[in-house]
Amino acid sequence: QQQVKQSPQSLIVQKGGISIINCAYENTAFDYFPWYQQFPGKGPALLIAIRPDVSEKKEGRFTISFNKSAKQFSLHIMDSQPGDSATYFCAALRGNTPLVFGKGTRLSVIA
Amino acid sequence: SAVISQKPSRDICQRGTSLTIQCQVDSQVTMMFWYRQQPGQSLTLIATANQGSEATYESGFVIDKFPISRPNLTFSTLTVSNMSPEDSSIYLCSASRQGAGYGYTFGSGTRLTVV
Repeated sequence: QQQVKQSPQSLIVQKGGISIINCAYENTAFDYFPWYQQFPGKGPALLIAIRPDVSEKKEGRFTISFNKSAKQFSLHIMDSQPGDSATYFCAALRGNTPLVFGKGTRLSVIA
Repeated sequence: SAVISQKPSRDICQRGTSLTIQCQVDSQVTMMFWYRQQPGQSLTLIATANQGSEATYESGFVIDKFPISRPNLTFSTLTVSNMSPEDSSIYLCSASRQGAGYGYTFGSGTRLTVV
């Protein structure tokens, strides 16, 4: 059973546009929701994270929106740049358990 | 967040042999994990490396195939034993300090090719 469902699988966005990636989770005990960015040949790097007591968190061009009642959270990348082209993973965890990952979204930002 | 050094970064191995991957963290961490990632796919948890005790394996992964050591709070190894081409993948180490806002970090991975 996939605990975190991520969509879309791939995304193409024009430079300067907004990239939106969505995730949904099942386990209401999850208490931490990070997003990771992975470039080819590199390990995933923590991008931004949110806890369920907050509905939105913004860091620079990256924003997480969190809807606890719908059990959904999303990543918004404003003013998308070619350098943002990477694979993005949403994840969730509870306490000290391992991260549960979504299947990933391959983002391509074209000029 | 902790900084993780993982080595080797890549290797090509003969089937039937074993490879040990090392994961070194620059500070003491509470949690260490090993993941496998097929190219273009998500991360699959292999096991949680427990300091001073046997690792906790996920369904589908067994100690005889993937023995793990964690002798202290900064170091762990994963061995891929009796390798077959199906073991070709990227293996990633992850670590986190409890009470440090989680901040799970990853090494750069080991790209393993079994021929």
